[in-house]
Amino acid sequence: DAMVIQNPRYQVTQFGKPVTLSCSQTLNHNVMYWYQQKSSQAPKLLFHYYDKDFNNEADTPDNFQSRRPNTSFCFLDIRSPGLGDAAMYLCATSHDGTGTFEAFFGQGTRLTVV
Amino acid sequence: LAKTTQPISMDSYEGQEVNITCSHNNIATNDYITWYQQFPSQGPRFIIQGYKTKVTNEVASLFIPADRKSSTLSLPRVSLSDTAVYYCLVGDPSSGTYKYIFGTGTRLKVLA
Repeated sequence: DAMVIQNPRYQVTQFGKPVTLSCSQTLNHNVMYWYQQKSSQAPKLLFHYYDKDFNNEADTPDNFQSRRPNTSFCFLDIRSPGLGDAAMYLCATSHDGTGTFEAFFGQGTRLTVV
Repeated sequence: LAKTTQPISMDSYEGQEVNITCSHNNIATNDYITWYQQFPSQGPRFIIQGYKTKVTNEVASLFIPADRKSSTLSLPRVSLSDTAVYYCLVGDPSSGTYKYIFGTGTRLKVLA
């Protein structure tokens, strides 16, 4: 049973055309993360939400934005995708305060920019 | 955040035990050590977590020496399906500002 669901699994967008990736969770976790993973590289944290508090990584380009309208959903908006933004985008959740160090990842959305 | 260093890649044969070591020289007192596994085109998956000595679950064992400056993930009797990238993460899970930062990982290839 899926716990962190990302849609779509594959997304093709045009250069410069805004695109939104979505993530939903059934775990009721208070923390949600977005990662970018390029081929043969480790996942790179873009930002995360702690409840409604948005935390941006210092090196995340302004081209990347995020929204979290409620506990269950989180969106990644790429305002003007460039060829260099082609990657797998991973959503993850965790629950603060449990004392365990387990993040649950979705299957990812593979973004292609043409 | 404690930085981690792992071998870039390892090869093994089916049925062998595989040990992957992670170095984390500046680990903090409250930091835990956690390992994730990632198959191609999938998100990482939690394998095991420990603070000190030895932890074992149905998938792997984690050995942590007394100084905690390194740790070793042990996979018993690997199979072809264990071919994946393995990441070592270090941090304090009780911290409200905790972020999961991945290092380079170790690419394990299991051969028949």
